[in-house]
Amino acid sequence: NAGVTQTPKFQVLKTGQSMTLQCAQDMNHNSMYWYRQDPGMGLRLIYYSASEGTTDKGEVPNGYNVSRLNKREFSLRLESAAPSQTSVYFCASRAGGKDGYTFGSGTRLTVV
Amino acid sequence: GEDVEQSLFLSVREGDSSVINCTYTDSSSTYLYWYKQEPGAGLQLLTYIFSNMDMKQDQRLTVLLNKKDKHLSLRIADTQTGDSAIYFCAEIPYSGGYQKVTFGTGTKLQVIP
Repeated sequence: NAGVTQTPKFQVLKTGQSMTLQCAQDMNHNSMYWYRQDPGMGLRLIYYSASEGTTDKGEVPNGYNVSRLNKREFSLRLESAAPSQTSVYFCASRAGGKDGYTFGSGTRLTVV
Repeated sequence: GEDVEQSLFLSVREGDSSVINCTYTDSSSTYLYWYKQEPGAGLQLLTYIFSNMDMKQDQRLTVLLNKKDKHLSLRIADTQTGDSAIYFCAEIPYSGGYQKVTFGTGTKLQVIP
């Protein structure tokens, strides 16, 4: 049982380049989330998808777009990367109710 | 406010007990979680408690909840070097449908051999 799988694990981009972070879960969870983690700031929600076919902005959505491709997959796209987007990105999913999150292992992104 | 607050750092000696504290915000029904993050890894769910409970014990872990003060703590008995990690508390108000999750900023636990 793989849980939540994120790719890639590491990425270096130049300012202005674009890329898509991939996330897939095999637990049949309804909700999926993208967070970024920065030192001293904890986890901040970028976008979430409460169910297949819906997406909503979180706390820090600017500069990002998402796609809930199907129930399993939720991708995060940076159209024009900026140094301020250097961070560790986590994808998570949950079934709902009292269930907590299941997190992926993260993508460490550096924008130079 | 919307903040879930934690102290940033805790250092303990191996074999001692660790107590990690968290102050949450929602006074209504809510689930409160503790997560552990080891270096270079994602967050791993350790335990959770519902806001109508006072305490929950799971092996070396004890969660205490003071509803009056909105204070949550995680006690780790007989702390081991493998417990060195960042610990996050998280609050999920239970209101049906999508529940907004708020994470604390994390407490880095250092265990000294």
